[in-house]
Formats: sequence, C-alpha cells, structure tokens
Amino acid sequence: EAGVAQSPRYKIIEKRQSVAFWCNPISGHATLYWYQQILGQGPKLLIQFQNNGVVDDSQLPKDRFSAERLKGVDSTLKIQPAKLEDSAVYLCASSLKPSDRDRYEQYFGPGTRLTVT
Amino acid sequence: AQRVTQPEKLLSVFKGAPVELKCNYSYSGSPELFWYVQYSRQRLQLLLRHISRESIKGFTADLNKGETSFHLKKPFAQEEDSAMYYCALSGSRGSTLGRLYFGRGTQLTVWP
Repeated sequence: EAGVAQSPRYKIIEKRQSVAFWCNPISGHATLYWYQQILGQGPKLLIQFQNNGVVDDSQLPKDRFSAERLKGVDSTLKIQPAKLEDSAVYLCASSLKPSDRDRYEQYFGPGTRLTVT
Repeated sequence: AQRVTQPEKLLSVFKGAPVELKCNYSYSGSPELFWYVQYSRQRLQLLLRHISRESIKGFTADLNKGETSFHLKKPFAQEEDSAMYYCALSGSRGSTLGRLYFGRGTQLTVWP
C-alpha cells in the first residue's frame, strides 16, 4: 500500500512569511496527526484529526498555526507568519483509529524540513 | 503529566556486543509503550510495542511498571541496527488515547 505522502520535502522562507504543508494519509486511515520535530528533540504533536474533526489541538500555537482536513482525507498545515523558532521538520502520520488498542500504530510520512531565516 | 525520558542522546557499541537503550516514563494510568526507529534517510517507523510482547529484529523490550521503564535490548548488536531510536508513550483514556508522546531519541551507532 502507498505510504503517507507529504509535500514539499524542503522549504526555506524568511521570517514573517507564510508557508503551507500538505499531507495525504494512507487510504482508509481515519486519524491524521501533525507533529513538529525540532532538531535534537522527539516529535511533538501539534494537532490530531479524526476524520475531518479536530480531536486535540492543545499544542498548536493558534496565533500563527492553522490546520484543516476538510474532506476527512488530505490535510494542510499553515504557518502565518513564520518565526525563526518554527524551523523544524513537520511530520504527518496516520492511523486506522485510536480507539482500537490493537491499531495504535502510526505510519509516518517523510516530513517537510522547514528553515526560517 | 505524560513524559518520556531517554537519558542517552548517543550510544555506541561494537558489533556483537549487547545493547540496551533506556527509556523511563511518567503517566498516571496504564500507558501503551512503543519503540520507533528511524534509519538513515528513511521514515520513522514502529519497531515494537509492549502489548505485542514480540521480538523484532532481535530487539525486545519489557514494560516494568514498578520502575516505569521500557528499555530496549538486543543481545548481539549488528551494524544495520545503527539508527535513531525513539521511545514513545500513548495514553489509554480521554484526549491522550492514541496520542504519542516521544522521548528525545537515542542515536545508536554499531561499530564493525
């Protein structure tokens, strides 16, 4: 089966500019996650979708970050305006459903490396 | 609050030597524990989960609730085991259900 797709793979922008990332999860996966991974740290969850609804966005800096999953399939994550500290790898992951204890496995995309100068 | 601690940022061993990657956690409940691995230029992928009680690529991990640990072990390391290893925790209820909390990772290098 095809894996989680993300684009672009790399992006360099100046601070105060805007940027958007796209993710297409594995077909049939109801749950989609966006993570931020800063250099030297583990991934940190930004937002979790169940179909097209938000389950958890408690760690999303809502003053500058937004995300949507309008049709319950692919998703976009936007940063506007970007700050230097937003430089990181943004990972998208998907899973079948979180409520099934045997199906917690999350499948990750290749990530988008963002550099803010 | 949920927390995963991997005390070693870097770990180096020689081929054939035993290896143990440490992971400690804090969670007020019964968590699910995982080890994820990222090989060079590859995606982050699941290595094993405690609920499966299986050995993957010779690696095992035992959940010790008393010590709140989930250390990853392999008796004889191979060069192809060189990778970044992340310990992760998933909550078992409410908003933590299915959400992964990652440690900072341990870079394992196995020398020939």
